[in-house]
Amino acid sequence: DAKTTQPTSMDCAEGRAANLPCNHSTISGNEYVYWYRQIHSQGPQYIIHGLKNNETNEMASLIITEDRKSSTLILPHATLRDTAVYYCIVRNPGTASKLTFGTGTRLQVTL
Amino acid sequence: EAGVTQFPSHSVIEKGQTVTLRCDPISGHDNLYWYRRVMGKEIKFLLHFVKESKQDESGMPNNRFLAERTGGTYSTLKVQPAELEDSGVYFCASSHTVTKLFFGSGTQLSVL
Repeated sequence: DAKTTQPTSMDCAEGRAANLPCNHSTISGNEYVYWYRQIHSQGPQYIIHGLKNNETNEMASLIITEDRKSSTLILPHATLRDTAVYYCIVRNPGTASKLTFGTGTRLQVTL
Repeated sequence: EAGVTQFPSHSVIEKGQTVTLRCDPISGHDNLYWYRRVMGKEIKFLLHFVKESKQDESGMPNNRFLAERTGGTYSTLKVQPAELEDSGVYFCASSHTVTKLFFGSGTQLSVL
């Protein structure tokens, strides 16, 4: 599986957009990009996933570069409840259930 | 819709004792998974059930761990005998498809 690289931590002001980057330069053609987050003392929560087209759902948007070597998760209007550790995971659909959580990005949303 | 439920939320046992963790998946989800985070490390996959069958148990650390899913509904994860290094948070997840997992809040296991 392709390795991902994320910043250790980020801050974002409440109400502003939070842009979380992820590098996955060794991604292969059939691998998807998945994002999960873990809010303190809860289990991981699925956010979004995509292959090559940009994706949007009620939680976030996922922007994948044309060469697919990096992506950005966007929380359009961050709230305090979005404070969490965000994980970018690259998997092919056949093994998407066997998630490999790295260290993720700790996003702190502040007033 | 009820989420994934795990029991107990916390368990404190002594080394050498047995502990059984339970997971109730979302109704209708054939896929059930166990993950864990130990000693402040990364969350790691343990195993995957499809209904009552073990699809992938490559992440099970050793034979002190036994997972079952009788009847394809709830699952149990038994640790016998527990060791100090088993301390951590054990997460259960379920899914309808393998691309979107729903996790429970976990069981915090402390082995003293």
